[in-house]
Amino acid sequence: EVQLVEFGGGSVQPGGSLRLSCAASGFTFTTSGMNWVRQAPGEGLEWISYISSSSSVIKYADSVKGRFTISRDNAKNSLYLQMNSLREEDTAVYYCSKRINGDYGAFDYWGQGTLVTVSS
Amino acid sequence: EIVLTQSPATLSLSPGERATLSCRASQSVTSYLAWYQHKPGQAPRLLIYDATNRATGIPARFSGSGSGTDFTLSISSLEPEDFAVYYCQQRSSWPVTFGQGTRLEIK
Repeated sequence: EVQLVEFGGGSVQPGGSLRLSCAASGFTFTTSGMNWVRQAPGEGLEWISYISSSSSVIKYADSVKGRFTISRDNAKNSLYLQMNSLREEDTAVYYCSKRINGDYGAFDYWGQGTLVTVSS
Repeated sequence: EIVLTQSPATLSLSPGERATLSCRASQSVTSYLAWYQHKPGQAPRLLIYDATNRATGIPARFSGSGSGTDFTLSISSLEPEDFAVYYCQQRSSWPVTFGQGTRLEIK
């Protein structure tokens, strides 16, 4: 069974940092492209970052570029999101998800999400 | 950035009725369009990928059609568990974008 479990969310003041993790199991993590998607309160889904299976391709949404860093450790079947210079508008539930076909395709499995609250 | 516009914003129907949800792209995404179902407190669920392909385990009452800029998600006969928010998503070009969602509510 495919499982994606996010953790590391919490409350932080504006300007602060947080590191999210996503533990993957039940599929071949080493050959799967991975994403972070978030949902702010009352809003829709927003894709924020992608990393290919070998970490050779990394993409960010403009809203987080220069502040967030995606990475992965294939030996630990783990995905990470380092979030710096956090703003109140980064408050959201953050989901990790995998691509359906290696490094490509739609997002076929998602975690339950972890809540990040940025507030003074 | 490709903008996806979903309509209607809210759809009120009764169980057993047919639902038709639309997604229009600001430029062609060929067939690189997916549909997701999202319920509060749950992980989003992939329904349809590459415009017309049902994901694993998705009931046959869900179907997708379209190509280029105009896409449709159809639910042939609504079950109580189908009432949720539905999003379209394109992966044709970066950044990946989602539509704003259609809320399917019980009439």
